Amino acid sequence: KNQVEQSPQSLIILEGKNCTLQCNYTVSPFSNLRWYKQDTGRGPVSLTIMTFSENTKSNGRYTATLDADTKQSSLHITASQLSDSASYICVVRSRGANNLFFGTGTRLTVIP
Amino acid sequence: GAVVSQHPSWVICKSGTSVKIECRSLDFQATTMFWYRQFPKQSLMLMATSNEGSKATYEQGVEKDKFLINHASLTLSTLTVTSAHPEDSSFYICSARPVANEKLFFGSGTQLSVL
Repeated sequence: KNQVEQSPQSLIILEGKNCTLQCNYTVSPFSNLRWYKQDTGRGPVSLTIMTFSENTKSNGRYTATLDADTKQSSLHITASQLSDSASYICVVRSRGANNLFFGTGTRLTVIP
Repeated sequence: GAVVSQHPSWVICKSGTSVKIECRSLDFQATTMFWYRQFPKQSLMLMATSNEGSKATYEQGVEKDKFLINHASLTLSTLTVTSAHPEDSSFYICSARPVANEKLFFGSGTQLSVL
């Protein structure tokens, strides 16, 4: 069964600190994995997209890693800011027309 | 970057009425658009895939007659929640993918509250 699991469910960190969010998946055959940031009441915004051959991809203070062998991905946020408070969703696409699988998200709260 | 406009951003309606939500790709053509529903503190759940010029493909458990989808052009898809009930209250989001491009772009969502 194709599944995407994220951990932790929620996380509270102090402003300026780093944090890492996890995404484990069982989706097969794998096409790509994306991390989205979703502010409350808004649509998701893409942070990174990674294909099978990519291990690391950065977007500013966001760095995503992918281990296609263990089917794990992480999103590392450096020097967190208050504006990083949001839900972070991991989405895995399987090869095939419209097969997207969404994780349940990690709710990040950055406090001053 | 590509922009997907979703309208309205929020709507309150009485039980039994129908509500239409529009999803437009502003600067690209999209043969395929997707509709999702999101309940509080939960992730997005794909409801249906909207294909331009043909019938939408619905996910298991989603009522076709209740959630009417129309994709009449390459830049517009609409979701109509018919005879809305309080349990239909949710956050609805659309996404679109430019032709020959894998990246998905999301609308800003519509918060539906049915009284």
